[in-house]
Amino acid sequence: QQQVKQSPQSLIVQKGGISIINCAYENTAFDYFPWYQQFPGKGPALLIAIRPDVSEKKEGRFTISFNKSAKQFSLHIMDSQPGDSATYFCAARTETSGSRLTFGEGTQLTVNP
Amino acid sequence: DAGVIQSPRHEVTEMGQEVTLRCKLISGHNSLFWYRQTMMRGLELLIYFNNNVPIDDSGMPEDRFSAKMPNASFSTLKIQPSEPRDSAVYFCASSRTVSLNTEAFFGQGTRLTVV
Repeated sequence: QQQVKQSPQSLIVQKGGISIINCAYENTAFDYFPWYQQFPGKGPALLIAIRPDVSEKKEGRFTISFNKSAKQFSLHIMDSQPGDSATYFCAARTETSGSRLTFGEGTQLTVNP
Repeated sequence: DAGVIQSPRHEVTEMGQEVTLRCKLISGHNSLFWYRQTMMRGLELLIYFNNNVPIDDSGMPEDRFSAKMPNASFSTLKIQPSEPRDSAVYFCASSRTVSLNTEAFFGQGTRLTVV
């Protein structure tokens, strides 16, 4: 019940296209859903996050869509750029877990020039 | 602030040897997490400290692994004896547990290779 399932495992997109990464969860106690971006040789870094009381959050080219009834959330990267090539992790957390995050399996995104 | 600092960045050791990974938290942070990253299992939480106290160590693989926080700003993860299957990138992360939206900041990781 603590798992977060992420897909696809890898994604190749052309420059200017839209990248979409999906995550699903079971634990309805999760109340905070961040996305992390990781470049090779670096640690994951927070990209954008959402609480379940909103259905969408946008920051620049990055948007999280959240469907509470389906227990799914997704990351959309508009106008994808080669510099967006990285591994993306969705995550989830409950209030009682403090800052303890449960991560998805990760998606390796490649944006071709 | 320099961020979360991990050392060493790379470690190659022989099977059976003791390995110690080190982590310096961001000043003012009171939560510390050790994660292990592999291709097969992704990011796994090993142990979580809050205010120097271990809260959840259910992810520690076995007794060969131990973690300590001798003070509020420093932590070690020790593997003794090390085995080839311990080869992975080990990350520590720190945060301030003052709100639900608290961000966890990751270090750059230690790539461990056990031969």
